[in-house]
Amino acid sequence: QVQLVESGGGVVQPGRSLRLSCGASGFIFSSYGMHWVRQAPGKGLEWVAVIWFDGINKFYADSVKGRFTISRDNSNNTLYLQMNSLRAEDTAVYFCARADGKGAVTRPLDYWGQGTPVTVSS
Amino acid sequence: DIQMTQSPSSLSASVGDRVTITCRASQSISTYLHWYQQKPGKAPKLLIYAASNLQTGIPSRFGGSGTGTDFTLTISSLQPEDFATYYCQQSYNTPPTFGQGTKLEIK
Repeated sequence: QVQLVESGGGVVQPGRSLRLSCGASGFIFSSYGMHWVRQAPGKGLEWVAVIWFDGINKFYADSVKGRFTISRDNSNNTLYLQMNSLRAEDTAVYFCARADGKGAVTRPLDYWGQGTPVTVSS
Repeated sequence: DIQMTQSPSSLSASVGDRVTITCRASQSISTYLHWYQQKPGKAPKLLIYAASNLQTGIPSRFGGSGTGTDFTLTISSLQPEDFATYYCQQSYNTPPTFGQGTKLEIK
């Protein structure tokens, strides 16, 4: 069965960096686009970034552009989110999610991980 | 960016009730509209994709309709496990955007 497991979250000071990972299993990882979506405490869902199945195309929310980098290692079935220059407003649970197809942006998000919490605080 | 507006923001209903949640897009998105259910402390779950298609494994009491800018999610007969928050999401263009959510509570 499809499984997505995030890791790497934690408490970090403003201005510091953190790298999140999302391990995938139960499907051909290299055939699917992947997203990061976050949810601040008590708030709704906010899309963060997407990467195409082959890692070539990437898009970011304006709120993280220039600070966050999405990447993937298809040989190890792992998705990453490198988060630099973290701010208090980046505090959230970060979910990885699979796009239902290679063309990542137009497709629904059919499987989600359980999320990893990130707290940015001094 | 395309703005997605859900109504109502919260809703109280009883088991067995028929419930409708509305999602409106700030511009036409054809049928690039999906619905998710989220329970507290859990990941969102895809219910409906492309406006009206039931995701595999989702009970048939869930239904979706609409095209263009106006969409609805209907639950035909509420079950205890349906009390949750529901989000719509457009995938017509980048960035994908979500509605603010509709919290469905027990009356």
